[in-house]
Amino acid sequence: DQQVKQNSPSLSVQEGRISILNCDYTNSMFDYFLWYKKYPAEGPTFLISISSIKDKNEDGRFTVFLNKSAKHLSLHIVPSQPGDSAVYFCAANAGGTSYGKLTFGQGTILTVHP
Amino acid sequence: GAGVSQSPSNKVTEKGKDVELRCDPISGHTALYWYRQSLGQGLEFLIYFQGNSAPDKSGLPSDRFSAERTGGSVSTLTIQRTQQEDSAVYLCASTARPGEANEKLFFGSGTQLSVL
Repeated sequence: DQQVKQNSPSLSVQEGRISILNCDYTNSMFDYFLWYKKYPAEGPTFLISISSIKDKNEDGRFTVFLNKSAKHLSLHIVPSQPGDSAVYFCAANAGGTSYGKLTFGQGTILTVHP
Repeated sequence: GAGVSQSPSNKVTEKGKDVELRCDPISGHTALYWYRQSLGQGLEFLIYFQGNSAPDKSGLPSDRFSAERTGGSVSTLTIQRTQQEDSAVYLCASTARPGEANEKLFFGSGTQLSVL
């Protein structure tokens, strides 16, 4: 049972345009959501997060939107840059004693063309 | 070093052999996690260490998998009698404040394990 799903394995956009990466979840106990970015041969790095009590969080070019009723979140990157090309993972946790115990989606490969 | 260090970066082994993977977390980080990423899949939680508390082993897929953390620092993940389905990238992460919701994980580059 996959509790966090990223249904688009890949996304290709032109430099300067908006990239929208989507994520769906099924577990209503999740209360914190995160996005990680991964370059080849490197470990994932934290990008942005959002608490379940909010519906939007913005950090520079990156904005995460949360729709709790639809159990859906999305990551917007505006404007997209070639250096944003990477695998993006959506993740969620249900709190408790460790917020680092995350459930990850399968990832979406983003390619930004110059 | 400044980041999480994992060794070896690549490991090729024969089915049935035992392997040990090592993780050296960021100095001062009390919490350490092991994840694995199989081909085409997301990261899968394996085990979590926090200070002197008993580890959370709820993600270990079988009793062939075990891990220990010595002195609250370096951790070793051991896979006994490896199987082909164990082939994956094994990632270690650490954090200083696991009890805070916005605390991010710092990952190492991982060990690519290939079981032939």
